[in-house]
Amino acid sequence: EVQLVESGGDLIQPGGSLRLSCAASGFSVSNTYVSWVRQAPRKGLEWLLVFFNGGSTFYADSVKGRFTVSSDTSKNTLYLQMNNLRAEDTALYYCALSTVTGAFDNWGLGTLVTVSS
Amino acid sequence: DIVMTQTPLSSPVTLGQPASISCKSSQRLVHDSGNTYLSWLQQRPGQPPRLLIYKISNRFSGVPDRFSGSGAGTDFTLRISRVEAEDVGVYYCMQSAQFPWTFGQGTKVEI
Repeated sequence: EVQLVESGGDLIQPGGSLRLSCAASGFSVSNTYVSWVRQAPRKGLEWLLVFFNGGSTFYADSVKGRFTVSSDTSKNTLYLQMNNLRAEDTALYYCALSTVTGAFDNWGLGTLVTVSS
Repeated sequence: DIVMTQTPLSSPVTLGQPASISCKSSQRLVHDSGNTYLSWLQQRPGQPPRLLIYKISNRFSGVPDRFSGSGAGTDFTLRISRVEAEDVGVYYCMQSAQFPWTFGQGTKVEI
């Protein structure tokens, strides 16, 4: 069974850094497309980036240069390193799996990041 | 970037009656593979999104057949043939044909 479990969300001050984790089971992060998507409070969905083919990435302009995705294949886990956090980064962060559907087949429950002083 | 525009943004519906949501893209959504990567997701209150429809009209596993998708080019539609109480939530269209992948603003369906 496919499962994604996000963790690492916290209350962090502006300018700070945080690393989120997305632990995957039922598939390998090294040969699939896994994205990070966020949802600000009472707002819509925002796609942030995708990790695919074991190391290729594409980032949205809103996070390029501040957010970095990486993986640990031994743990089948994806990481999202977030630097220089801003108040507008406050959101529920999801990881989501894409397969041959070309869509987001599976989602985690999300992890909450709050950027505030 | 491809802009996805949904209408309406809010849709009061009646149980047992049909409902439809429109999604227009600023560019055609045909990927190099020849597939059109337009999908629809449902987000019930307090839950993560759930895939309903992929590649315009394919129902994802476990999705009731009252949900259907159609369209081509830059105009797409999600239809619910007979709305049930559990269909309340926000519906998003999404394109994954071209980076950056983008979502519509969301349409709130409420009874």
